[in-house]
Amino acid sequence: EAGVVQSPRYKIIEKKQPVAFWCNPISGHNTLYWYLQNLGQGPELLIRYENEEAVDDSQLPKDRFSAERLKGVDSTLKIQPAELGDSAVYLCASSLAGPPDTQYFGPGTRLTVL
Amino acid sequence: EDKVVQSPLSLVVHEGDTVTLNCSYEVTNFRSLLWYKQEKKAPTFLFMLTSSGIEKKSGRLSSILDKKELFSILNITATQTGDSAVYLCAVAPTSGTYKYIFGTGTRLKVLA
Repeated sequence: EAGVVQSPRYKIIEKKQPVAFWCNPISGHNTLYWYLQNLGQGPELLIRYENEEAVDDSQLPKDRFSAERLKGVDSTLKIQPAELGDSAVYLCASSLAGPPDTQYFGPGTRLTVL
Repeated sequence: EDKVVQSPLSLVVHEGDTVTLNCSYEVTNFRSLLWYKQEKKAPTFLFMLTSSGIEKKSGRLSSILDKKELFSILNITATQTGDSAVYLCAVAPTSGTYKYIFGTGTRLKVLA
């Protein structure tokens, strides 16, 4: 069974530039999560989707971050404009149902903002 | 404020040793506690614990939850170099409040 797929794996951009990350969850998983993980810290949830609906996005900095999950499968996370403090690993995870169902993580996208 | 605290922050052992990692939590509306192993790639799920006193085992790894004292331990016996990783503990609240609360992890290094 294929796992969670994310792309790109690495991204380097200058501050104020836009950037987008893509995630394809495990087939059949209705719940999709985007996390941010800083070095030495645990993953922090940004947004959770149940199918195509963002059931909670209170952690998402809406002035610069946006996300979508059209058709309830793939998802994209966008930052515009990026700031230096956005440098982190962005993890996507999926689960069959919402918490506390087991989450399976993708490999992440490491973002460096210069 | 909800929080999850893991200890120790880091640990260095030799192959064959047994290690115990700790996770304590203060979370309202607790539902389950999860352990993940994170190497250079994505975190991989290890255990989900919902009931006190029931040990979960997977090979050399085992874990147990104490809901009265609000902690969990992860044991690894006969450690191998491949066990070197960051072990993350996370607490999932009851449905309706989605947010997983993660600890900062315990970094384990197993020397040959």
